[in-house]
Amino acid sequence: NAGVTQTPKFRILKIGQSMTLQCTQDMNHNYMYWYRQDPGMGLKLIYYSVGAGITDKGEVPNGYNVSRSTTEDFPLRLELAAPSQTSVYFCATTGWDKNIQYFGAGTRLSVL
Amino acid sequence: DAKTTQPPSMDCAEGRAANLPCNHSTISGNEYVYWYRQIHSQGPQYIIHGLKNNETNEMASLIITEDRKSSTLILPHATLRDTAVYYCIVRSSNTGNQFYFGTGTSLTVIP
Repeated sequence: NAGVTQTPKFRILKIGQSMTLQCTQDMNHNYMYWYRQDPGMGLKLIYYSVGAGITDKGEVPNGYNVSRSTTEDFPLRLELAAPSQTSVYFCATTGWDKNIQYFGAGTRLSVL
Repeated sequence: DAKTTQPPSMDCAEGRAANLPCNHSTISGNEYVYWYRQIHSQGPQYIIHGLKNNETNEMASLIITEDRKSSTLILPHATLRDTAVYYCIVRSSNTGNQFYFGTGTSLTVIP
């Protein structure tokens, strides 16, 4: 039981490149979330999903896209990377107990 | 969701109790108080939550004042591994399951 798995762990992008951050969970949770955390700051919600086929915007969705075709996977897409997207990205899930979010280890992204 | 205010940093001696305060003066009746912590850039970890009664689990105790405008997270015997950023979050269970993290309190446990 791996919980929430994020890949890659680290990535460096050039300005204008695109990439997909992967998030997979094996807990059969309906709810999934993407956060970003800038240095010295708290987490900000980018997008979330309440189930397969359903996604919605969080606080800071600009520059990102998501999809949720299965319960297990919730990829985050950056289409035109900008230096402002340099951050640590966390994926999280909640299940029937909506009080507890389970987080992945994070993806550290630098856009240069 | 109501806003929370936490001190930016605190120190605690190893083996002593760590008491982390949180103000949430605009909390409404259906909003819970949650505590999470983040150890050195790892993903945040759930600690405890409560509505109005004091709560205790294997990790910590949560004391909520009678007027619910503030709360304290207590780590009874702090260890070096408790050095982390602690987030106090106020949230209604009806708000789409979103958690809004502020900047938290950076707790340093000193040997």
